[in-house]
Amino acid sequence: DQQVKQNSPSLSVQEGRISILNCDYTNSMFDYFLWYKKYPAEGPTFLISISSIKDKNEDGRFTVFLNKSAKHLSLHIVPSQPGDSAVYFCAARLNQAGTALIFGKGTTLSVSS
Amino acid sequence: GAVVSQHPSWVICKSGTSVKIECRSLDFQATTMFWYRQFPKQSLMLMATSNEGSKATYEQGVEKDKFLINHASLTLSTLTVTSAHPEDSSFYICSASLTTQGTEAFFGQGTRLTVV
Repeated sequence: DQQVKQNSPSLSVQEGRISILNCDYTNSMFDYFLWYKKYPAEGPTFLISISSIKDKNEDGRFTVFLNKSAKHLSLHIVPSQPGDSAVYFCAARLNQAGTALIFGKGTTLSVSS
Repeated sequence: GAVVSQHPSWVICKSGTSVKIECRSLDFQATTMFWYRQFPKQSLMLMATSNEGSKATYEQGVEKDKFLINHASLTLSTLTVTSAHPEDSSFYICSASLTTQGTEAFFGQGTRLTVV
């Protein structure tokens, strides 16, 4: 049973527009959420994170929103650039020291110029 | 950010042989490292948690005798795929956290294993 779900396997956006990637989770014990970007045959690269006590975190073009009551978070990228084309993974961490991240299946973002 | 180096980045081996993958934290000490496996178009699935100086903790369904993990120092963890078979072909990724809380995990480049 997947605890972190990314229901959209792919998303296509035009350059300059907003990209919205969604993630849902089932475990209310998650206390930290992270977004990673991944290119083929490479390890994931950290993008942005949010603590469960916050509802928004912004870093440049990237903003993550958390809705705890809905167990939903989203990553907004604006404006989208062709270089943003990659697979984006949502990950969550249990409120427990030394635990691994639990990942969603990823969403492939394609930004066309 | 912190750097995690994984080696080799790709390897092809014959069925029945063993392959060792190294994961090093280059500029920090990692008491805990994690090993993941990714099949095409699938999520990163946690295989095991590697703790320095103690036995690794394996996830359900992962054979500990097949995937040997050694975390002998604070900067190095190794994953050995023993008696590899074609179904073990996959992308293996390690990660390490700066603190035991692991609020941000840093990942190695990954290792593409192909067993022929």
